Amino acid sequence: DGGITQSPKYLFRKEGQNVTLSCEQNLNHDAMYWYRQDPGQGLRLIYYSQIVNDFQKGDIAEGYSVSREKKESFPLTVTSAQKNPTAFYLCASSNSNTEAFFGQGTRLTVV
Amino acid sequence: DAKTTQPPSMDCAEGRAANLPCNHSTISGNEYVYWYRQIHSQGPQYIIHGLKNNETNEMASLIITEDRKSSTLILPHATLRDTAVYYCIVRPSGGSQGNLIFGKGTKLSVKP
Repeated sequence: DGGITQSPKYLFRKEGQNVTLSCEQNLNHDAMYWYRQDPGQGLRLIYYSQIVNDFQKGDIAEGYSVSREKKESFPLTVTSAQKNPTAFYLCASSNSNTEAFFGQGTRLTVV
Repeated sequence: DAKTTQPPSMDCAEGRAANLPCNHSTISGNEYVYWYRQIHSQGPQYIIHGLKNNETNEMASLIITEDRKSSTLILPHATLRDTAVYYCIVRPSGGSQGNLIFGKGTKLSVKP
């Protein structure tokens, strides 16, 4: 079935470690997005990409990095520079004539 | 910043219509209004979208004012499973999609 998949669903990280969250879509969408959500809050945009090999910073890009080497994949790396990484991370994809489709999220906890 | 404003929370009795408002006074002529909802700890789910005409699907109806500066999402017969956070966003049609900015949404609580 077509869709967007995030993995893993739960992730634990030690302080000071980098960690990469996976996001894959088989919807042939051009645009992909990463959001962060804290408890009781809305979605805040981290990075987005409209085309392969190109991406732009969102509102809270500091401490994060992304790559878009393939149309289907948009991995997010949470670096040690992100001081408060514990959060729920959501990935989405869309085309110009479709609504955005979201993955089921990755819950990252720093231990 | 989000281009939409919504009340932070609303209550609705089960079986009654839920009317969720959204202001988007700076909307551009080529921007659609989209509604999503997010049930706790899941990814947001698309509900409906529109440009200037009212729209209806199996989930909801969307009423957009003539000046397009505000809209209302209507859940005609709310059930307990409709309890969720509802987001209203605007995005351009065609071409470059740019960023996709969500506000804080409206937390709808459907009560028995």
